[in-house]
Amino acid sequence: GAVVSQHPSRVICKSGTSVKIECRSLDFQATTMFWYRQFPKQSLMLMATSNEGSKATYEQGVEKDKFLINHASLTLSTLTVTSAHPEDSSFYICSASPGSGANVLTFGAGSRLTVL
Amino acid sequence: DQQVKQNSPSLSVQEGRISILNCDYTNSMFDYFLWYKKYPAEGPTFLISISSIKDKNEDGRFTVFLNKSAKHLSLHIVPSQPGDSAVYFCAASVGNQFYFGTGTSLTVIP
Repeated sequence: GAVVSQHPSRVICKSGTSVKIECRSLDFQATTMFWYRQFPKQSLMLMATSNEGSKATYEQGVEKDKFLINHASLTLSTLTVTSAHPEDSSFYICSASPGSGANVLTFGAGSRLTVL
Repeated sequence: DQQVKQNSPSLSVQEGRISILNCDYTNSMFDYFLWYKKYPAEGPTFLISISSIKDKNEDGRFTVFLNKSAKHLSLHIVPSQPGDSAVYFCAASVGNQFYFGTGTSLTVIP
């Protein structure tokens, strides 16, 4: 089946620094990737939709200058949390879809970000 | 506007009994429905799905029922096992857009 790899699984950084999280589709080409954030005991919050070769579409309330998304190839999307603050500490999850006609979304294992 | 809703944030079931998780949606254009299971600190994993042209899909202990007239779907797990304890998300899709419910935390009591 489809596999999505997310790296790193855990990252700790200092306030003010930037952190990059990678999302790779290992055995399929993902024209679309999605980035989610999950706070403790809360549901998945869609942050943005990443389309290969074009700008990401951000959900309302998500700062595009703070959460930079790049989808440079059909197998890789990156989320960069810039100038991280402690309130950015969260569990970030990506998912990928091969594109139109695909009925299942495959998720990565998630990345736990802790900002000190 | 939440197009997919899971109104029960939590559910507790005795081991061996049936677990029924419910999900409601508002968009009649959804053509595919999915259930995902999520353990803490892990990404959701796909569990079972159903096309809008069907009303039932079964896979082992898991059965998904779709009632299009009521815009309602449910996931039945029988018999429930302690390892089934997790958060379950329902999702609906149209085209390449997926919409998720807020999740139901299932606890199976040994």
